[in-house]
Amino acid sequence: EAQVTQNPRYLITVTGKKLTVTCSQNMNHEYMSWYRQDPGLGLRQIYYSMNVEVTDKGDVPEGYKVSRKEKRNFPLILESPSPNQTSLYFCASSLQVNEKLFFGSGTQLSVL
Amino acid sequence: LAKTTQPISMDSYEGQEVNITCSHNNIATNDYITWYQQFPSQGPRFIIQGYKTKVTNEVASLFIPADRKSSTLSLPRVSLSDTAVYYCLVGDGTDKLIFGTGTRLQVFP
Repeated sequence: EAQVTQNPRYLITVTGKKLTVTCSQNMNHEYMSWYRQDPGLGLRQIYYSMNVEVTDKGDVPEGYKVSRKEKRNFPLILESPSPNQTSLYFCASSLQVNEKLFFGSGTQLSVL
Repeated sequence: LAKTTQPISMDSYEGQEVNITCSHNNIATNDYITWYQQFPSQGPRFIIQGYKTKVTNEVASLFIPADRKSSTLSLPRVSLSDTAVYYCLVGDGTDKLIFGTGTRLQVFP
């Protein structure tokens, strides 16, 4: 089944403790991206990747890192999480940037 | 920087047609307009995409005027299961994607 898989689904952590949210797609998509969703602010793009080893900043990249070593995986890294990064995170992928996006189920992150 | 504006919320009744408009004044020349539907605790789901004029699929129609500064998603004969948040999405001329803040549609019996 074609899908985007994010893990974990829920995560509670403390300020400053590094964490990684994984994202994997099985559709051979070129474009992958991360979003955070906060009440009243909609979906905001954090980082995106056009292909392996090609990543770029979205609208809200501060405090986040990504890597794209393989086509299927696009992990989101928070080196030193802070409470203002408490949010619902979505990973998405598409064949190309202007194509239909497929979203993961989301990761609800709480930073205490 | 491309920015999109949508109404925060809309109410409708079952069986009615719903039109949700998105304003995107700075859409890039080569970018498409895409609409997504999101239910609580789920990732957004693709509804329809277009570049100009009118596009129709089995669930919705998308109307885009010649200047492409706005678009209207049309949902014919909505049902209770269409209660969701609807987002329009455009590019900004780079490879970034800009979502609107979403329109919360509530359908009543």
